[in-house]
Amino acid sequence: DQQVKQNSPSLSVQEGRISILNCDYTNSMFDYFLWYKKYPAEGPTFLISISSIKDKNEDGRFTVFLNKSAKHLSLHIVPSQPGDSAVYFCAASVWGQGGSEKLVFGKGTKLTVNP
Amino acid sequence: KAGVTQTPRYLIKTRGQQVTLSCSPISGHRSVSWYQQTPGQGLQFLFEYFSETQRNKGNFPGRFSGRQFSNSRSEMNVSTLELGDSALYLCASSLVRYGTYEQYFGPGTRLTVT
Repeated sequence: DQQVKQNSPSLSVQEGRISILNCDYTNSMFDYFLWYKKYPAEGPTFLISISSIKDKNEDGRFTVFLNKSAKHLSLHIVPSQPGDSAVYFCAASVWGQGGSEKLVFGKGTKLTVNP
Repeated sequence: KAGVTQTPRYLIKTRGQQVTLSCSPISGHRSVSWYQQTPGQGLQFLFEYFSETQRNKGNFPGRFSGRQFSNSRSEMNVSTLELGDSALYLCASSLVRYGTYEQYFGPGTRLTVT
């Protein structure tokens, strides 16, 4: 049962254009959402996050939108740069059985930004 | 501040053997989580340790185990290795503070089981 879904395994955009990465979730108990970026041979690096009580968070070229009624969030990258080419993981935080928050990850979307 | 370190970076083992992976968290981070990444499956949560205690556990068989030491360093052990255990094993550390959810990942250990 996959609670966090990234339905597009890959996305290709031109440099300078907008990249939109999507993520859907099923668990209404998720209280925080995060995006991570991963380059080959490296661990994921934290990019941006949003609390479930907000609908938008912006950090430079990166903006995350949350639509709770649709259980959907998206990451917008404007303008896209070749260095943004990486695998992007959507993650959601939920209270685990052990009495602490734990992250549930999607399978990732590979973004390729063409020069 | 130094990041999360994992050793070894690469490992080749044979079916039936066991393996131990090590993780040193960022200084001051007391929570350590382990994930398995395989192609097509994303990051799957293995377990989380805090103050030498396992707090959360994912849906993996008992062959996968871990522990945490008093200095917050953590080890993960896989016994009786199977071909399907070939994966990138990632360790992540985090602050335990209200409103802080970000986890910081190490580079991972690439395990190949032959």
